[in-house]
Amino acid sequence: DQQVKQNSPSLSVQEGRISILNCDYTNSMFDYFLWYKKYPAEGPTFLISISSIKDKNEDGRFTVFLNKSAKHLSLHIVPSQPGDSAVYFCAARSAGGTSYGKLTFGQGTILTVHP
Amino acid sequence: DAEITQSPRHKITETGRQVTLACHQTWNHNNMFWYRQDLGHGLRLIHYSYGVQDTNKGEVSDGYSVSRSNTEDLPLTLESAASSQTSVYFCASSERAGSPYNEQFFGPGTRLTVL
Repeated sequence: DQQVKQNSPSLSVQEGRISILNCDYTNSMFDYFLWYKKYPAEGPTFLISISSIKDKNEDGRFTVFLNKSAKHLSLHIVPSQPGDSAVYFCAARSAGGTSYGKLTFGQGTILTVHP
Repeated sequence: DAEITQSPRHKITETGRQVTLACHQTWNHNNMFWYRQDLGHGLRLIHYSYGVQDTNKGEVSDGYSVSRSNTEDLPLTLESAASSQTSVYFCASSERAGSPYNEQFFGPGTRLTVL
């Protein structure tokens, strides 16, 4: 049972336009959400996060939106740049118990930004 | 600078052989994790540890084992390698379980091929 889903395997965007990456989750016990970026032959690197008590968090060109009622979050990149081309993973943290601190990852979305 | 390293970066082995993948971090983090990345599945948790002598099974732990004898290292052992274990393996670490952010720092990955 996939608790975190990224239903779009890939996304292609023109340079300068907005990139919107989506993520859905099913577990109401998730209390913290993170986005990771991964280049080929490298490990994932942390990009931006949001607590479940907020609905928006912004960091430069990157903004994450959280809709708790819909169990949906999205990552907006504005403006998109060719260097943003990578795989983006959505991840969610379990709130408590013995699972605290564990992250559950989505399948990833390959973003390609064309010059 | 603190870092997390994995070795080897590439490994080819035969079915039935025992294989050990090394992970070493100098962040002095209590938490360490092993993931595998496969197309269509994203990052799936194999085993994790919250401290020395502590190990826990993740969602895809069958055929794998870990041991934690010190803070810095969490080696992953494939007891009898199978072709289904061909994958890219990532090690990660994070601060203590109560940390508000739980950002995980990833190593560069090990590409394992089981023939």
